[in-house]
Amino acid sequence: DTGVSQDPRHKITKRGQNVTFRCDPISEHNRLYWYRQTLGQGPEFLTYFQNEAQLEKSRLLSDRFSAERPKGSFSTLEIQRTEQGDSAMYLCASSYDRGRGKLFFGSGTQLSVL
Amino acid sequence: SQQGEEDPQALSIQEGENATMNCSYKTSINNLQWYRQNSGRGLVHLILIRSNEREKHSGRLRVTLDTSKKSSSLLITASRAADTASYFCATGEGAGNKLTFGGGTRVLVKP
Repeated sequence: DTGVSQDPRHKITKRGQNVTFRCDPISEHNRLYWYRQTLGQGPEFLTYFQNEAQLEKSRLLSDRFSAERPKGSFSTLEIQRTEQGDSAMYLCASSYDRGRGKLFFGSGTQLSVL
Repeated sequence: SQQGEEDPQALSIQEGENATMNCSYKTSINNLQWYRQNSGRGLVHLILIRSNEREKHSGRLRVTLDTSKKSSSLLITASRAADTASYFCATGEGAGNKLTFGGGTRVLVKP
């Protein structure tokens, strides 16, 4: 069990640029979640995959956000035309059906939009 | 939107004291979980309590759940400096058990 890994750990970008984050879940986990967390707040749900199928997207997820999980393994989260309000920690988590709902989180990607 | 609200928002105690934090939520749940987050890191699962359970223990942690009041509490006994972190409650809903987190309680344990 190598844990959930996220890359990069930090990303600084200029407003208007596109950014892409990667998440590698624990290998036997079939569920993968993306959350966003701003300073002093709890994580907010963005989207969730079961295997390769994206089953739910938050209304917070504007059209500029897209997530994929090809082949049901790693996942990418892309933000197009970044805005300063996108600055946050993006957290990935994974779980498995018989995990009784417990999520395993990665260390997150801290995005700063200048 | 966040379903749970933690109280207090911040807590400062001396090492060895107990720390208690509360969580209230709004809708029906499958389970309620507590997570810890050290500064700048991901969240770590602490304990899960199902909707048909009232109390659960794990080491120095004790969690209660009152579904009639839609509230839960987390008690950390004999706190240590290493317990300094933010603590979040999260409610699990639906088939995929999407978690909805509260705003957290920031706990400082002074040595």
